Amino acid sequence: NAGVMQNPRHLVRRRGQEARLRCSPMKGHSHVYWYRQLPEEGLKFMVYLQKENIIDESGMPKERFSAEFPKEGPSILRIQQVVRGDSAAYFCASSHSGQGAGDTQYFGPGTRLTVL
Amino acid sequence: DQQVKQNSPSLSVQEGRISILNCDYTNSMFDYFLWYKKYPAEGPTFLISISSIKDKNEDGRFTVFLNKSAKHLSLHIVPSQPGDSAVYFCAGVQTGANNLFFGTGTRLTVIP
Repeated sequence: NAGVMQNPRHLVRRRGQEARLRCSPMKGHSHVYWYRQLPEEGLKFMVYLQKENIIDESGMPKERFSAEFPKEGPSILRIQQVVRGDSAAYFCASSHSGQGAGDTQYFGPGTRLTVL
Repeated sequence: DQQVKQNSPSLSVQEGRISILNCDYTNSMFDYFLWYKKYPAEGPTFLISISSIKDKNEDGRFTVFLNKSAKHLSLHIVPSQPGDSAVYFCAGVQTGANNLFFGTGTRLTVIP
């Protein structure tokens, strides 16, 4: 019974390059959430997606960041033209019903992005 | 705007004793709270949750208490074990929303 899977686990990019982070939700889950954790801080919500739809992107930076959850395949968080401030741990979570309260989100192991 | 606060960055407890981790929130619209445990280089693992219609929820060694009037919740672990050493995050969410608001975490160390 695989949990939430994320890859790569570690990603190193130089300033100006693109970063692509992938997330496969738990079996039976169709709701995906992305969070970012900066050093010494808690996790901060970025975006919530269902299959082929972005439901809430209120936590996403307005520029350079995008997310998708296609009909087939994993959810992708894409960061264009990375800067040093993008260095963080990016966590994906999935849930069964997307009901919010009462619908537990289960997290993947995270991708640690380092921008040189 | 930190809507969920964990004011103790760290806590040390002797094995076998009770660990009490505290969490305060400012958003009165939150009606569901969760505790997650996180080991280094891993993702948060769900521990226990509580709905705002309850004031206590228990699961084995873990009990969460909610005081709505004080906007305060706490996680009790008894007896504490060395394997409980981790960072604990509390999170709140409101009905109709999907994003969890996390505190900054409390690092628990259980001393054998």
